[in-house]
Amino acid sequence: VQLVESGGGLVQTGGSLRLSCAGYGFTFGTYWMTWVRQAPGKGLEWVANIKQDRSERYYVDSVKGRFTISRDNAKNSLYLQMDSLRVEDTAVYYCARDWVGTHSFDHWGRGTLVTVSS
Amino acid sequence: SYVLTQPPSVSVAPGQTATITCAGDNIGYKSVHWYQQKTGQAPVLVVYEDRVRPSGIPERLSGSNSGNTATLTISRVAAGDEADYYCQVWDTNTVVFGGGTKLTV
Repeated sequence: VQLVESGGGLVQTGGSLRLSCAGYGFTFGTYWMTWVRQAPGKGLEWVANIKQDRSERYYVDSVKGRFTISRDNAKNSLYLQMDSLRVEDTAVYYCARDWVGTHSFDHWGRGTLVTVSS
Repeated sequence: SYVLTQPPSVSVAPGQTATITCAGDNIGYKSVHWYQQKTGQAPVLVVYEDRVRPSGIPERLSGSNSGNTATLTISRVAAGDEADYYCQVWDTNTVVFGGGTKLTV
């Protein structure tokens, strides 16, 4: 099992960025998937997750209306569209696989850094 | 919203036992998961559903959960156990992490 994030970078306040996460070595379409972020020197913060068939999506309050989680099971890929970015969105963003039925995360990517500057 | 409280730091001598707590309202009724994160690395799941260890996690790490406190216990602590540890639950369609505990050996 491998998860590989991409799409991070430097963006100005109010800008947009789209993160991607490619899954390898497992049947991607049979797992919930999640984005978790970690600001520099801070703890883990859950961002959003999405059910296998996209019928359920949940977000932390601070990103509702600004971020959109999506997935393409045919491409074994997870996405996070981030709009109206704020300085406080600066973090390493990890994608993680939701261990079946537990809502724990048994595999994580290495993360991609998003820096929002004013 | 649901809140999980962890001590910011725990210090233990090599060979001793480390206890990391995670406090939450009636947390005993929830499934608690624990992660280990070493500096510069992604988190690793070390205990799920209160007390189950994923494949490859040593028996020295164990979990328990009752009342208002969940606990991760690390026996025979070694230098390689030095890391940040996070508890996590699923509550009302949201994922909640504790603030993390830095274990110093």
